[in-house]
Amino acid sequence: NAGVTQTPKFQVLKTGQSMTLQCAQDMNHNSMYWYRQDPGMGLRLIYYSASEGTTDKGEVPNGYNVSRLNKREFSLRLESAAPSQTSVYFCASSHISPSRAGSQPQHFGDGTRLSIL
Amino acid sequence: GENVEQHPSTLSVQEGDSAVIKCTYSDSASNYFPWYKQELGKGPQLIIDIRSNVGEKKDQRIAVTLNKTAKHFSLHITETQPEDSAVYFCASIMTGNQFYFGTGTSLTVIP
Repeated sequence: NAGVTQTPKFQVLKTGQSMTLQCAQDMNHNSMYWYRQDPGMGLRLIYYSASEGTTDKGEVPNGYNVSRLNKREFSLRLESAAPSQTSVYFCASSHISPSRAGSQPQHFGDGTRLSIL
Repeated sequence: GENVEQHPSTLSVQEGDSAVIKCTYSDSASNYFPWYKQELGKGPQLIIDIRSNVGEKKDQRIAVTLNKTAKHFSLHITETQPEDSAVYFCASIMTGNQFYFGTGTSLTVIP
């Protein structure tokens, strides 16, 4: 009953380093999302993947890339980390009905706490 | 895009009292409104949701009301307990589109 699993849980990087945040879900959801959470700013969408094989920019995509590896996995990459990317990153997934039956809730992982020095 | 405003940003109540958190949204096409609870060090967890064809929904001590005309929806927690202390987020969504989250309310229940 894992739900959404994110790795790593914590990471410290130096400015200019690169890294990939991993996310996997076992709920057979077709849509996956990456958010960042900063104090006083709530959750801001970085990228999302409505279905396997597609990705789209969210509100704050600059400095990030994503890969939807398969239906289960959606990774977020920082090519050249900057101090402004210090944040808590959350992955989420949801089922989007192909009909217009209405949206479904997103299910979140427990986050990756990333510090960039 | 959608704009979701959430108030208050912090809220302290005595144990046993009620807590109310309010959100407003801008896009009349929004039709799904979930509420999430986030405990320290954890990801947001869905606690209740409401769709645009319903005015109120209850689940034990938690209720959500929706006023489509005024474009606002509220979370009501009755008989608050210390374990209700957390950060609460509202969100609004149009069918198939991305979620827009409020900035969160930090609720403290004082024993």
